[in-house]
This record gives sequence, structure tokens and C-alpha cells, in this order.
Amino acid sequence: AQTVTQSQPEMSVQEAETVTLSCTYDTSENNYYLFWYKQPPSRQMILVIRQEAYKQQNATENRFSVNFQKAAKSFSLKISDSQLGDTAMYFCAFMKTGNKLVFGAGTILRVKS
Amino acid sequence: GAGVSQSPRYKVAKRGQDVALRCDPISGHVSLFWYQQALGQGPEFLTYFQNEAQLDKSGLPSDRFFAERPEGSVSTLKIQRTQQEDSAVYLCASTPSRTGKTEAFFGQGTRLTVV
Repeated sequence: AQTVTQSQPEMSVQEAETVTLSCTYDTSENNYYLFWYKQPPSRQMILVIRQEAYKQQNATENRFSVNFQKAAKSFSLKISDSQLGDTAMYFCAFMKTGNKLVFGAGTILRVKS
Repeated sequence: GAGVSQSPRYKVAKRGQDVALRCDPISGHVSLFWYQQALGQGPEFLTYFQNEAQLDKSGLPSDRFFAERPEGSVSTLKIQRTQQEDSAVYLCASTPSRTGKTEAFFGQGTRLTVV
């Protein structure tokens, strides 16, 4: 069974600064997908960024980028130029092709002005 | 529709009561998933449909939980004889394809409180 571990229950960052959220996972699969989701208080789960395991290049979406280390089974999220609207719960998730998402326990991120 | 719609948004049930939670996925989406999210935790998989076929129900915690999607669109998650440990947010997600190559779109969830 796959597991996803987020070791940081809470993180804080000053507005405009950079923060990195950690995620490790365990799997015996070779082909899979990794995701970071954002969940604000509205409970709407919003996709931030995704990474296909077969791609060596790290995914980037505007201010969001990942550091994907397949051998180490590590998938961290870097948020640059943090904004107040980035305050939310962030979940790392794993999926093998065509199947369910396995989520970590989440990291609460607070962006301070 | 514009997004995944879930109803009700909030439900308070007395212990022992039956409840039904509705998910209306994005039109044309083939795959539909139900997740249970306890307070302060990540969502956990309950069950998965591809059109009307329930392909995986391994996450349903007991035989009190039942899900259906009879016409391959709207899905209902039913919980019989609710217990306090059933209190959680129930999230529904849909994807347009049968594979994992596309984004899962989530609804806003139903917060169930069993008293």
C-alpha cells in the first residue's frame, strides 16, 4: 500500500517570501502521479501542481514549483513570493494510473503580512 | 454543470439515523470518487465509480456505508444507522477520463455531524 507523509503540521511565512513544504511517499510502483492540493476554509480542494513520475523535469506553475526526487521518494512544494491568499491547508497526494488519490495529513500554511 | 456540486453542505444527524449525501459531477465525467475527511486530517478514499460501475469499494469502513451511481452521473453515498465516528466531511471528485492522466475536480463537500 502507498503512504504519504507530510512532516510539517504547520508552517508560517512572511508575505513576499519563499516557503517549502515537505512530502515523502512510499510505493513500489514505477509509474505514478504526484500532486499538491490546496484546501482553503471553504473546503474546496484545488489542484496546485502535478508531477508525472516518468518526467525528470520538475513541474512549475507560476509561483509554485516542486523538487521531485524519485529515488528518495521526495516531493516538496516551493511557493515563491508568498501571498495572503496562499493561506490554506496543503495536501500532498499520490496516485497510480487510473486510481484513487492517497493523501498526506496536510500542512497548514499561514502567510503573514 | 460548472463544477462538482454536493448537497447538502451541512447535515446534522442523530445517532442511529440514516443519511444520504448527493454528488452531482461535472457533466460527461466518467470517473467519480468519494472521500472521507476527518477533522484536521487528509481525505481518505471510500469508493470509485467508472460510469455506473462501482469498481472499487475497498475504502468503505463498514457495511453501513453504501454508494450508488445508477445512471452514471449523479451519485449518492448512504450511511445507515449513523454513529459518532461517522462525523466528517465527505468529498466527491470527478474526472473526465478512465485513467489518472487528468485532474480530479472536487466538490465543496458535505460536513456530517452525528450527535
